This record gives sequence, structure tokens and C-alpha cells, in this order.
Amino acid sequence: QSVLTQPPSVSAAPGQKVTISCSGSNSNIGNNYVSWYQQLPETAPKLLIYDNNKRPSGIPDRFSGSKSGTSATLGITGLQTGDEADYYCGTWDSSLSAGRVFGGGTKLTVL
Amino acid sequence: EVQLVDSGGGLVKPGESLRLSCAASGFPFISYTMNWVRRAPGKGLEWVSSIDSSSTYIYYADSVKGRFIISRDNAKNSLYLQMNSLRAEDTAVYYCARAYSSSCFDYWGQGTLVTVSS
Repeated sequence: QSVLTQPPSVSAAPGQKVTISCSGSNSNIGNNYVSWYQQLPETAPKLLIYDNNKRPSGIPDRFSGSKSGTSATLGITGLQTGDEADYYCGTWDSSLSAGRVFGGGTKLTVL
Repeated sequence: EVQLVDSGGGLVKPGESLRLSCAASGFPFISYTMNWVRRAPGKGLEWVSSIDSSSTYIYYADSVKGRFIISRDNAKNSLYLQMNSLRAEDTAVYYCARAYSSSCFDYWGQGTLVTVSS
């Protein structure tokens, strides 16, 4: 059971917008940067968002990140079938001995 | 181009050992903290271990502490994970990952599958 809570699944139609939430506490999201990762089937995770809302080079602006208090949100607009994947949030947690933590992951289905 | 190539996975019995490797290229390996992250079947990502550039600061998840040993050879641009006393619950795809910051991973290897089964 992760200290970061994500919905197990979300779904939306192609072209629509979806948001994925990541809920934590002051020991993690509340006082640290959040990153988001996309893991397509049978592939390695890929960094989508870092430092709450920054996109690495090559990540389209359909993907966005935000943070408010102890929660973070990943937004995806103009959904494509190729966006079907598992999405994970990640951050540092000062209450853990080694700090690094991921959310439980959210399966995005594009209907 | 940054590349991380994972290798060394396989099928082992409970209690046995295995050594994973990650070959890095396309960036100054000596300048980066490196990590191992795993994903068990049907589960989410789990951070396993990290090692800083000089091998001074090494950390482990509680689930592997005392059984796994992370190391690196900066001359060979390589990262390693020695896994001892393997358990069924260690079955997972293991990824090496470069650290952008203390808890953000910007490049990942393709992963290597470790299966622990009798």
C-alpha cells in the first residue's frame, strides 16, 4: 500500500480530456516536487512531468501537471488510443527511511 | 543519446542469487545517482535501491535491505544489483533508472525479468 493514492483506473473517449489524481500528505507531496510517468504495455516507464508541471523535451503539451497542497494531478487532453497505459506519480517522502515513493498506478483506458 | 541497457535476469529458485547489470552510454555516468526500480506482475512500480556518483550514499527499500547490494563501476559506465536470498515476491521486471533529482527518474533501461520459483 503506497503512501500516494491514485485511482486504479480511469477511462475516456478519444479526443476527450482526462485527469489522474495523486493524493498524499505533508511528508510527501505537500513539501516536495512531484513527477509523473507513463508505462505503455510491455515497455519501460517514461518520464512525462517533473518538478510538478515541467515537461521533458519531446513530451507533447497535451500532457500537463499541477499540484495543490497535498495532491497532484496529471491532465491529458486530446486523448489518443496510443495513450492507453499505466500512469504513476512519484515524489520524496520524508517519513520513509529512503524517501523515494511511487503511487499505486492508474490504468488509463481510451474507449 | 542516453541509453541504459539492463541485463542479467533469469529464472532462479528461492534462496538463490542473481546479479543484474546496467550498461550506460550517452551521458557522463560518473556524474549521476543511479537507481533500480522494479515492477512485479500485477503490481505497480517499486523503488528498490539507489547509489550516488561516488558510491558514498547507498539506500535500499526495506523489502530488500540486507539481501540486495547495489554497486557501480564508473570506469565501465555500469551499474549492478547483486540479489541474494531471493524470494518469490522478488519476481519482477527490474529497471535501472537515472536520477534527475532525489526522487525523479529521467531515463530508464528496458528492464530485465527476474523470476523466482521452485
